[in-house]
Amino acid sequence: QKEVEQNSGPLSVPEGAIASLNCTYSDRGSQSFFWYRQYSGKSPELIMSIYSNGDKEDGRFTAQLNKASQYVSLLIRDSQPSDSATYLCAVTVDRGSTLGRLYFGRGTQLTVWP
Amino acid sequence: EAGVAQSPRYKIIEKRQSVAFWCNPISGHATLYWYQQILGQGPKLLIQFQNNGVVDDSQLPKDRFSAERLKGVDSTLKIQPAKLEDSAVYLCASSPVGGNTEAFFGQGTRLTVV
Repeated sequence: QKEVEQNSGPLSVPEGAIASLNCTYSDRGSQSFFWYRQYSGKSPELIMSIYSNGDKEDGRFTAQLNKASQYVSLLIRDSQPSDSATYLCAVTVDRGSTLGRLYFGRGTQLTVWP
Repeated sequence: EAGVAQSPRYKIIEKRQSVAFWCNPISGHATLYWYQQILGQGPKLLIQFQNNGVVDDSQLPKDRFSAERLKGVDSTLKIQPAKLEDSAVYLCASSPVGGNTEAFFGQGTRLTVV
């Protein structure tokens, strides 16, 4: 069973602060890493993908991957109330029948208060 | 580009009844996934199709769940008979191919079994 663990929430930050979301995974064969945002009652929406070690920045979002530590994180700078949602970490392990299958964590609920 | 379409959006049935969900993936996407998301948890893969063939159905409760993807396009997921614990959101997702590509989700079908 491939485990994806996310830091327990809920996480609450003030507007303008940096929100830090963390995720660890158990399978060293994991190759692709994604962060999805899910608003209440809505479907998951992809916001970041990362495939190699290091940082990847997209606007206010930065994803960080450390395969040696089996750790992936998402930083949200200048957090806005509209960022309030559940953030899902997902990984894929491309091996045989599990090609492309996304393994999700339970999600971390983020609240940004004005 | 049209997104992943699902219907119905909501369904309430009594236990032991049957129900079917429909999904139309993004045009040209070869891979189609059905996920089950129980409240407070991350999505869990039920079945993955590559074109009209099943790639992974290891987590599908085959005694009551079935799915098909005729002609490699639309897909239906059926539950018969339903149990209370089947209450969840059923998400359909598609991606161009398997592997490291992003998956795009539909709006989901919220099933309540009473």
